[in-house]
Amino acid sequence: GENVEQHPSTLSVQEGDSAVIKCTYSDSASNYFPWYKQELGKGPQLIIDIRSNVGEKKDQRIAVTLNKTAKHFSLHITETQPEDSAVYFCAASMDNYGQNFVFGPGTRLSVLP
Amino acid sequence: NAGVTQTPKFQVLKTGQSMTLQCAQDMNHNSMYWYRQDPGMGLRLIYYSASEGTTDKGEVPNGYNVSRLNKREFSLRLESAAPSQTSVYFCASSVSGPGTEAFFGQGTRLTVV
Repeated sequence: GENVEQHPSTLSVQEGDSAVIKCTYSDSASNYFPWYKQELGKGPQLIIDIRSNVGEKKDQRIAVTLNKTAKHFSLHITETQPEDSAVYFCAASMDNYGQNFVFGPGTRLSVLP
Repeated sequence: NAGVTQTPKFQVLKTGQSMTLQCAQDMNHNSMYWYRQDPGMGLRLIYYSASEGTTDKGEVPNGYNVSRLNKREFSLRLESAAPSQTSVYFCASSVSGPGTEAFFGQGTRLTVV
């Protein structure tokens, strides 16, 4: 089955700096890659996603890149703010009904003022 | 505009007791999921239901049973709770089909003593 690895497990950056989180997946059949943000005491919430027919997607300060050949994808957050502090999860999913999301172990991002 | 609602939010059980975690969604989604979240391990799929009337095992189904009561509701039952089932449980739902966002509930923090 699919296996998703995520690095780093913790990341601290100064406010205004950029943050990058990287994930790798094992199953070449996976073709949908969402990123979730989880704030303390809450459920994960989608922040951005990318499909395998796209190499890069951007939404304001957040971007995701996908390298299908190398089977890795990354989350980029620019101009970080304290409210970006949270746990971020990447996931991989296949193109079928009743899709099964496989999540990475998470990255705890701390943005220091 | 509730989204995905889980009850209860907190629960303490004694080893061997049984309980049912309830989940309901009001977004007319076909697919529903139960995940458990443990420190450093991300979200692991317990069971999912691709559509009303169907359920399938995920990565960690042992010790759990599920019921897709109708399109809105998907319950998770622990027949004989064990300390290893201490975790935070999340229910999620999504529109059927490839590459669609999963919406999560707020979670149930379960402690088995």
